[in-house]
Amino acid sequence: DIVMTQSPLSLSVTPGEPASISCRSSQSLLRSDGHHFLEWYLQKPGQSPQLLIYLSSNRVSGVPDRFSGSGSGTDFTLKISRVEAEDVGVYYCMQALQTPLTFGGGTKVEIK
Amino acid sequence: VRLVESGGGLVKPGGSLRLSCAASGFIFSDYHMSWFRQAPGKGLEWLSYITATSDIIKYADAVKGRFTISRDNAKNSVFLQMNSLRAEDTAVYYCARSLGDYRPVEPWGQGTLVTVSS
Repeated sequence: DIVMTQSPLSLSVTPGEPASISCRSSQSLLRSDGHHFLEWYLQKPGQSPQLLIYLSSNRVSGVPDRFSGSGSGTDFTLKISRVEAEDVGVYYCMQALQTPLTFGGGTKVEIK
Repeated sequence: VRLVESGGGLVKPGGSLRLSCAASGFIFSDYHMSWFRQAPGKGLEWLSYITATSDIIKYADAVKGRFTISRDNAKNSVFLQMNSLRAEDTAVYYCARSLGDYRPVEPWGQGTLVTVSS
């Protein structure tokens, strides 16, 4: 199974400041078609997970452009350029290269 | 697009439950489907995947041999039959549409809580 490791475990961010979350996989998530099968989810308190970024760097329609994903191989990053109050929750990375799909342990983002 | 899970509840260890996920707002038979779960205060876990025609089914090792995924395209529903339940199966269970490369598609359902306790 592919092991996903996220850091940090938690972040306390001042509104308007940037935030960055790292995700590392135990093996490359690059498929032969050139896509990296890495997704980013946000689970707001009391809600189901919502997809923010797919295939490493593609923002889902409707997701604010302050969210961006980058990375390749085994190292990926989710960046929030200016954190807003509505961004609080737990962020998860997930690999979809192969089953079992596996998730990082999550990064809890809160507002200072 | 809407996915509504049901069938959760309190069950004793060793017992069984059948979860349902009712789909609407899209052509159900065009989509593969998946189940995920989240134990209280814990992270997300993929459980199972079924193709649109049920010809390919996948399970996580944690549930293989105990859980069975199925679907009824005429009823726009996917199911998760859970047998030999253990305390560690206590979780909120979510269903989601999935692509052919296994990636879930928005939105997920709201989840249904399964509690395994004596």
